[in-house]
Amino acid sequence: EAGVTQFPSHSVIEKGQTVTLRCDPISGHDNLYWYRRVMGKEIKFLLHFVKESKQDESGMPNNRFLAERTGGTYSTLKVQPAELEDSGVYFCASSQGQGPLEQYFGPGTRLTVT
Amino acid sequence: GNSVTQMEGPVTLSEEAFLTINCTYTATGYPSLFWYVQYPGEGLQLLLKATKADDKGSNKGFEATYRKETTSFHLEKGSVQVSDSAVYFCAQVNTGFQKLVFGTGTRLLVSP
Repeated sequence: EAGVTQFPSHSVIEKGQTVTLRCDPISGHDNLYWYRRVMGKEIKFLLHFVKESKQDESGMPNNRFLAERTGGTYSTLKVQPAELEDSGVYFCASSQGQGPLEQYFGPGTRLTVT
Repeated sequence: GNSVTQMEGPVTLSEEAFLTINCTYTATGYPSLFWYVQYPGEGLQLLLKATKADDKGSNKGFEATYRKETTSFHLEKGSVQVSDSAVYFCAQVNTGFQKLVFGTGTRLLVSP
């Protein structure tokens, strides 16, 4: 069974540009999460999809971030325009069911904004 | 709000040494507690978990006990190996929610 995959693994962009990160969850997982780790700090929750609906987007930092999950399958996270403080590692995770479940994480996308 | 505090790293040990990584939490209600591990170049993997007070999670020789009275979930291993070198994250999720709240991570370096 394939795990959670993320693309790209690393992205370097200039301030003001746009970047789109992609996450493919484990097949059949209804729950999809985005997290972010800024250098040396804790991993912070961004948002949670259940199928194609946003269940909780309380962690989204501002309106420069837009997450979508087309048809309840893969998800994209767009940052437009990118700022220096957006640099970090963006993790995607997925799970199936309800409750305090094991979330399966992808390898992350390292975003560097210069 | 809910939070997790971990000991700062890096933790540097020789092979076969005893490991403790401290983790404490603050929470409303009764969270479930987790330890995740990130090996170099890989994503986070669930190492162990505990869902209620006094539960002990264990996996690959690692153990952690959910201590409600001290709000702690310390990670221990009796004899570390070089292959245990990784970053360890303590995390919680509160009842009724699914978002994980992580600590800052602790890097473990084990030398032969």
